Amino acid sequence: GESVGLHLPTLSVQEGDNSIINCAYSNSASDYFIWYKQESGKGPQFIIDIRSNMDKRQGQRVTVLLNKTVKHLSLQIAATQPGDSAVYFCAEGPTTDKLIFGTGTRLQVFP
Amino acid sequence: EAGVTQFPSHSVIEKGQTVTLRCDPISGHDNLYWYRRVMGKEIKFLLHFVKESKQDESGMPNNRFLAERTGGTYSTLKVQPAELEDSGVYFCASSQDFGQVNTEAFFGQGTRLTVV
Repeated sequence: GESVGLHLPTLSVQEGDNSIINCAYSNSASDYFIWYKQESGKGPQFIIDIRSNMDKRQGQRVTVLLNKTVKHLSLQIAATQPGDSAVYFCAEGPTTDKLIFGTGTRLQVFP
Repeated sequence: EAGVTQFPSHSVIEKGQTVTLRCDPISGHDNLYWYRRVMGKEIKFLLHFVKESKQDESGMPNNRFLAERTGGTYSTLKVQPAELEDSGVYFCASSQDFGQVNTEAFFGQGTRLTVV
């Protein structure tokens, strides 16, 4: 698959547990942050975003936390399900128009 | 509603040949972006169209890459001549244009290019 040759950090969680995926971003001037989910053979799929004037945003089963002091972004997934297994990318930018992606984290959910 | 579609899904070509990738954005989306992920690296921005105009092509690696969006609908990305290091997955994305407001960028499934 696409990830052959890539050595992604992997997070393994048991079904039903909460998952926390972390990302350190590079540009302190970035105003917009997004989490994407990529399943095998598919393109990145938007999960949730947050602007720099916020430190937390919640969606359905997902929460994004932004710590601008240490340039850290995290994605929390509640009650992780097998369908959540994928590679997760954080992305940053002044706007949507030129995103800088992180290296990605592989989430594996086991029963 | 159809999402962003890319063609072909896979392409294997020999070094020195030419390949053209196509992207059909979501209907009505003025913004169109090309990104790529070469092996072992992050997804990286290549360029951004607003309608038929190149808004930002700062990510294009060199002059072997040519992107067009005639008529402001679909876009093509041509690599000529292809080199081994061009191998990777090329993604296209599109979004609506509401001025300074950030709108969600929808990605296609990507084209896997292998140069041998």
